[in-house]
Amino acid sequence: KNQVEQSPQSLIILEGKNCTLQCNYTVSPFSNLRWYKQDTGRGPVSLTIMTFSENTKSNGRYTATLDADTKQSSLHITASQLSDSASYICVVANTGNQFYFGTGTSLTVIP
Amino acid sequence: EPEVTQTPSHQVTQMGQEVILRCVPISNHLYFYWYRQILGQKVEFLVSFYNNEISEKSEIFDDQFSVERPDGSNFTLKIRSTKLEDSAMYFCASSEEGQGRTEAFFGQGTRLTVV
Repeated sequence: KNQVEQSPQSLIILEGKNCTLQCNYTVSPFSNLRWYKQDTGRGPVSLTIMTFSENTKSNGRYTATLDADTKQSSLHITASQLSDSASYICVVANTGNQFYFGTGTSLTVIP
Repeated sequence: EPEVTQTPSHQVTQMGQEVILRCVPISNHLYFYWYRQILGQKVEFLVSFYNNEISEKSEIFDDQFSVERPDGSNFTLKIRSTKLEDSAMYFCASSEEGQGRTEAFFGQGTRLTVV
């Protein structure tokens, strides 16, 4: 069964600190993995897209890693800001253009 | 910056009524999608659309649902005879290419409440 599991479910960190979010998946055949940021009541906004051959990609303070062998990905956020408070969603696409969403990690950055 | 726009932002409808959710994808995009997110749950894929026909659909997308691109700019999701469990946030998205090759841009969503 195609599934995307994320951990932790929620996370609270102090402003300025770093954090790492995890994503494990069983989606097959794999096409690409994306990380999205979703503010409450808003549509998801893409942070990174990684294909099978890419094992790391950065977008500003966001760095995503992908291990296609173990089917794991992580999203590292550096020097967190209050505006980073949101839900971070891991999405895995198969080659049939179907997207599978994780339940997200709710991040709260406090001053 | 180009964006996907959805209307209305919030729709309240009575059970059994038909609703049409509207989306204007980014103008040069060729692939269009509908997703839904029930409150507190994860986003779920409904359907993808390319070249004026459905390219993929999930188990959720049954005969109650239909999609249409009535003109060159709009992309609509119709829900016939709405049920209470159809209450959710519905997101439209578009991308330049399919097969996940390019980024999918999401609209702000339409919150559908069925009473």
